Amino acid sequence: AQSVTQPDIHITVSEGASLELRCNYSYGATPYLFWYVQSPGQGLQLLLKYFSGDTLVQGIKGFEAEFKRSQSSFNLRKPSVHWSDAAEYFCAREIGNEKLTFGTGTRLTIIP
Amino acid sequence: DAGITQSPRHKVTETGTPVTLRCHQTENHRYMYWYRQDPGHGLRLIHYSYGVKDTDKGEVSDGYSVSRSKTEDFLLTLESATSSQTSVYFCAISVATLLNYGYTFGSGTRLTVV
Repeated sequence: AQSVTQPDIHITVSEGASLELRCNYSYGATPYLFWYVQSPGQGLQLLLKYFSGDTLVQGIKGFEAEFKRSQSSFNLRKPSVHWSDAAEYFCAREIGNEKLTFGTGTRLTIIP
Repeated sequence: DAGITQSPRHKVTETGTPVTLRCHQTENHRYMYWYRQDPGHGLRLIHYSYGVKDTDKGEVSDGYSVSRSKTEDFLLTLESATSSQTSVYFCAISVATLLNYGYTFGSGTRLTVV
């Protein structure tokens, strides 16, 4: 069973608009959850992570994510996107003993 | 930041030839991983290592083998490359210290099997 689901393959938003990328996880106790960003031809950069405690997590580049146990979700948000935010975004969770499993990714396009 | 170096960065090889990709880390972390990235699949775990000579399979391990004879090096080998193994391969390490916990990725190796 898919452990991490990103239901949106591709999202297009206007520059300056708000953004929310969805991520749902399945089974397990309190999960360790991550969001990564990948620019074209580049590696993965960690945006933020959640382990426990405050369910609203702040990350780099103005991103935040909220952990909602009741909805099994860990959605990524940004109040105002910039053209440089165009990239692919991956949600991931740790499973078992220090293994990371990824969603299939959401490609973000920014239009002027 | 943890230092991870992948080599080569790009490789084109012929079907049926053996290929070895190298991942090198500079900070003595215990856990190392190999992932492949394909459109529509995200990143999928091939193999991982939890210490010298200690390795285990991930979800897409068929056709791949790994070795870890030194803490700093984790090698991924395609014994007989196939076109289905054309992909981008990422190495990662798990960082677990008192002040930091997470996963750091290398820059990737783009492998094309023709």
